[in-house]
Amino acid sequence: DQQVKQNSPSLSVQEGRISILNCDYTNSMFDYFLWYKKYPAEGPTFLISISSIKDKNEDGRFTVFLNKSAKHLSLHIVPSQPGDSAVYFCAASAGHTNAGKSTFGDGTTLTVKP
Amino acid sequence: EPEVTQTPSHQVTQMGQEVILRCVPISNHLYFYWYRQILGQKVEFLVSFYNNEISEKSEIFDDQFSVERPDGSNFTLKIRSTKLEDSAMYFCASTLQGGMSYNSPLHFGNGTRLTVT
Repeated sequence: DQQVKQNSPSLSVQEGRISILNCDYTNSMFDYFLWYKKYPAEGPTFLISISSIKDKNEDGRFTVFLNKSAKHLSLHIVPSQPGDSAVYFCAASAGHTNAGKSTFGDGTTLTVKP
Repeated sequence: EPEVTQTPSHQVTQMGQEVILRCVPISNHLYFYWYRQILGQKVEFLVSFYNNEISEKSEIFDDQFSVERPDGSNFTLKIRSTKLEDSAMYFCASTLQGGMSYNSPLHFGNGTRLTVT
């Protein structure tokens, strides 16, 4: 039962353009969503989060959008840079239990070409 | 910036042997976790630990697994009798807050790659 899905295993964009990574979830109890970035041989690194009371959260070049009715969230990176090339994981948790117990998606490998 | 450290970076063991994976969480964090990622698969929650006891565990975390915080700094994951399917990258993580907090992203270590032969 895949409660968090990232349907695109990979994405390739040109430097300077926008990267849009998508994530869908099925569990309506999820109310806290996070994006992590992972480089090879490193652990995931927290990027940005959003709680279900919001529909947008912005931090510099990174913006996360949440559409609760569609159970969909997306991460926008603009402008994309070669250093953004990594695996991006969407994660979700049900805040009323343990916010650290997150359910992860399969990840999307982003490649930003110079 | 403080970070979560894990040792060793790579552990090779024979099937049936016991292994202990070690982690030093960020010093002022209160909640501790183990996650694993089998090659090519998603990152999966194993267990969370708070106030010297397990607060939640997944169905993966069976009787072969145990966790311990033997002192004020280390957090260990023990696999009593390893199986081939335990081969994975094991990530330790910590957070300052848990429960109802919405501001507690996981801080991950770089992982221990466990290879069971």
